[in-house]
Amino acid sequence: EAQVTQNPRYLITVTGKKLTVTCSQNMNHEYMSWYRQDPGLGLRQIYYSMNVEVTDKGDVPEGYKVSRKEKRNFPLILESPSPNQTSLYFCASTSDREVFPGSPLHFGNGTRLTVT
Amino acid sequence: SQQGEEDPQALSIQEGENATMNCSYKTSINNLQWYRQNSGRGLVHLILIRSNEREKHSGRLRVTLDTSKKSSSLLITASRAADTASYFCATVLSAMIYNQGGKLIFGQGTELSVKP
Repeated sequence: EAQVTQNPRYLITVTGKKLTVTCSQNMNHEYMSWYRQDPGLGLRQIYYSMNVEVTDKGDVPEGYKVSRKEKRNFPLILESPSPNQTSLYFCASTSDREVFPGSPLHFGNGTRLTVT
Repeated sequence: SQQGEEDPQALSIQEGENATMNCSYKTSINNLQWYRQNSGRGLVHLILIRSNEREKHSGRLRVTLDTSKKSSSLLITASRAADTASYFCATVLSAMIYNQGGKLIFGQGTELSVKP
């Protein structure tokens, strides 16, 4: 089954404790992206990657890191989480955006992160 | 107002009725997409309509696009309780089609409740 898999589904952590949210897709997609969803603010893009070893900042990149060493994986790293990073996080992927700009996104089921 | 604003914010109807949601945007688009999100889950792509198209159908879904009014509507016919979800429009700006891979800008969503 074609899917984007995020882990964990729920995560509660404390301020300053480094964490990684994993994202993997099995559709051989070139493009991957991370979003956070907050009430009243909608979906905001954190980082995106057009292809392996190519990453770039989205609208709200502060406090986050990403890497794209392999095509299928795009982990989101919070080096020193803070309470304002409490949110619902989504990973998404799509086919080559250089060939089909603006192509529809396939989303994972989300990671609900709470930072106390 | 933001690029991609849905109206109404919330809609409650009875099973079997039609549901209409609207999306307005501010600047020229390449395409507009509609997504559904069940509570706390990932977004699911429903339909994409390009700027040179006026109407598209997919099953019980009908999407229209009026570029002169910068607006789109999503009609769900003969609604079912399973249609209960949030619905988002997302736009790909013409000016950004080759920038950031054609970034999607999401609206705040319409919460649809279909009562059995």
